[in-house]
Amino acid sequence: DGGITQSPKYLFRKEGQNVTLSCEQNLNHDAMYWYRQDPGQGLRLIYYSQIVNDFQKGDIAEGYSVSREKKESFPLTVTSAQKNPTAFYLCASSIRDRGPNTGELFFGEGSRLTVL
Amino acid sequence: RKEVEQDPGPFNVPEGATVAFNCTYSNSASQSFFWYRQDCRKEPKLLMSVYSSGNEDGRFTAQLNRASQYISLLIRDSKLSDSATYLCVVNIINAGNNRKLIWGLGTSLAVNP
Repeated sequence: DGGITQSPKYLFRKEGQNVTLSCEQNLNHDAMYWYRQDPGQGLRLIYYSQIVNDFQKGDIAEGYSVSREKKESFPLTVTSAQKNPTAFYLCASSIRDRGPNTGELFFGEGSRLTVL
Repeated sequence: RKEVEQDPGPFNVPEGATVAFNCTYSNSASQSFFWYRQDCRKEPKLLMSVYSSGNEDGRFTAQLNRASQYISLLIRDSKLSDSATYLCVVNIINAGNNRKLIWGLGTSLAVNP
């Protein structure tokens, strides 16, 4: 079955540690996205990538980094510079240029990060 | 004013009821509109797009009012399985001429037996 896989589902880390969240898709989608979701806030875009080896900052990129070395993979690193990293992180993919136009994003099940 | 605002909810309705959610948006240049459904602690999934003339998908009807800048979602004959949070999503073109999606906070629906 095609889909998006995020791992881990739950993650606990101490303050000051970097954390990398995995996102893999086998939908053959060019575009991939990272969002975070917090209580009382809508989904906010962290980074997105329309094509391999290229990515753009979203609205809240500070304290995060990404790479897009393969079409299938778009890992997100939450660095120690991120002031409030505890959140629900969602990875999504879409056919290139169609995601924002058609609203058709396919999401992974999410990774819930808690920083202690 | 938030770019996308939704009824705060929660809505508690009995099975079989009809329920409607509204969503207002502030950017008059918004181009496309969508409703997503999100189950508790799960990922959002696209429920339906909202077309200018309104559109229906089974028990779900979406409508757009550009003049008043709001969209609505009507659910008829509610089922227990409709219990979820419904997210309103609007597509805008930002200052850099890039399209982006703006997400509402969601309206929580609980359908009771």
